[in-house]
Amino acid sequence: NAGVMQNPRHLVRRRGQEARLRCSPMKGHSHVYWYRQLPEEGLKFMVYLQKENIIDESGMPKERFSAEFPKEGPSILRIQQVVRGDSAAYFCASSREGDLPEQYFGPGTRLTVT
Amino acid sequence: GQNIDQPTEMTATEGAIVQINCTYQTSGFNGLFWYQQHAGEAPTFLSYNVLDGLEEKGRFSSFLSRSKGYSYLLLKELQMKDSASYLCAVRRGGGNKLTFGTGTQLKVEL
Repeated sequence: NAGVMQNPRHLVRRRGQEARLRCSPMKGHSHVYWYRQLPEEGLKFMVYLQKENIIDESGMPKERFSAEFPKEGPSILRIQQVVRGDSAAYFCASSREGDLPEQYFGPGTRLTVT
Repeated sequence: GQNIDQPTEMTATEGAIVQINCTYQTSGFNGLFWYQQHAGEAPTFLSYNVLDGLEEKGRFSSFLSRSKGYSYLLLKELQMKDSASYLCAVRRGGGNKLTFGTGTQLKVEL
């Protein structure tokens, strides 16, 4: 299956710990997007990355959250010092180079902060 | 800013046709997407409209009117497996950021 891969699928962290969420885009895709979905709410854009570059991080909280998409390896969304309000489903999507806008989503990581 | 509105819930009968509406207000409009999301799963791409008119793809069709800031998703010959949340999303400007509505939860009944 050459779809978008995310791991882990479920992650439990205690308050104050760090959470690292990984995303491998579809084969041939060089654009990665992270979205957050809170219960009973819509998907909220967080950040858009290309290899080694952050293109748009207008949806990222100013503190504790960071994202990267290195030249080699998956994209990482990192949340430091997690709080209960960070509990949500985090979805990664990818798209091709160029003006083809279709984004394909991974299965998501469900983060629970206890 | 952007504002995207969809009905929260809809119910329809198996075999029937249902239309899910989406209205939006945004500057720099550059395309509207529909995604389907089953509970606990990833959104899956259904359709993309950037020009006015109807795009048909099997049992699903999507319509766009840019002057009215309006789109709808039409589902024909409804099946039980179509019970899901349907998300309308707008792309703005030259970037690839999508802004999603809160979704319409469709329930298909016998």
